[in-house]
Amino acid sequence: GENVEQHPSTLSVQEGDSAVIKCTYSDSASNYFPWYKQELGKGPQLIIDIRSNVGEKKDQRIAVTLNKTAKHFSLHITETQPEDSAVYFCAASWYGNKLTFGGGTRVLVKP
Amino acid sequence: DTAVSQTPKYLVTQMGNDKSIKCEQNLGHDTMYWYKQDSKKFLKIMFSYNNKELIINETVPNRFSPKSPDKAHLNLHINSLELGDSAVYFCASSHLEESRNEQYFGPGTRLTVT
Repeated sequence: GENVEQHPSTLSVQEGDSAVIKCTYSDSASNYFPWYKQELGKGPQLIIDIRSNVGEKKDQRIAVTLNKTAKHFSLHITETQPEDSAVYFCAASWYGNKLTFGGGTRVLVKP
Repeated sequence: DTAVSQTPKYLVTQMGNDKSIKCEQNLGHDTMYWYKQDSKKFLKIMFSYNNKELIINETVPNRFSPKSPDKAHLNLHINSLELGDSAVYFCASSHLEESRNEQYFGPGTRLTVT
C-alpha cells in the first residue's frame, strides 16, 4: 500500500518568512496530491492540490510542486502570517480516492 | 451553508456501550468517507461509500459498521466500545470521478470512551 512521509513535524517561522513542508510517497501509481490545513478543534480544510500531469500549482501565497520521478511533493507558503499557524497534512491517492496522509506538520508563525 | 456536517460534536460514553455518529453532506457528492484521527493527529481512512455501496473497507474491527441510507448520508455505528476507540472521527465527501475528486471534511466528532 501507499506510504506518505512528511517533514518536518514542527516548523517555527517569523511572520513574513517562507515555510516549506516536504512529503515523499511510495506508490508510483499515485496521481493526486492534496494539502490540508487543520486548525485546533476543526476538520481538515483543503487548501491546494496537484495532479500528476502538473509540476507546479500556485494560489496566492501558497504553492505546491510535484516531482514524480523522485516521488516527492512540497508545500510552499510565502509571506507567512499568524493565521497560517495550524497543522498541515499532505496526502496521496491513486485508487478509489483513498487518501493516505502524512504525519502532519505543526506550523507556528511568530509575530 | 453548503458543507459536510456531523453530529454529535462530542460523545462521551463508557466501555461496552453502542453509539452512532451521523454525517450529512449537501455538496451533491456521490462518495462519502469515514476517517479516524488518533491522539497523535494521524489521519487514516476507515470506509468509503459510493452511491450507498461500500468501496473502501480498511482493516477496521467489525464492531464498526457504516451505513449509507442515501448518497447524502453516511452514519457510523460502533458496538461494544473500547478505550482504544477514543479518537476524533471525521466524515468527508467528494465526487468519485478522478478529475474532480477533492475531498471535503466535516468538523469531526470527538469520541471519548471511559
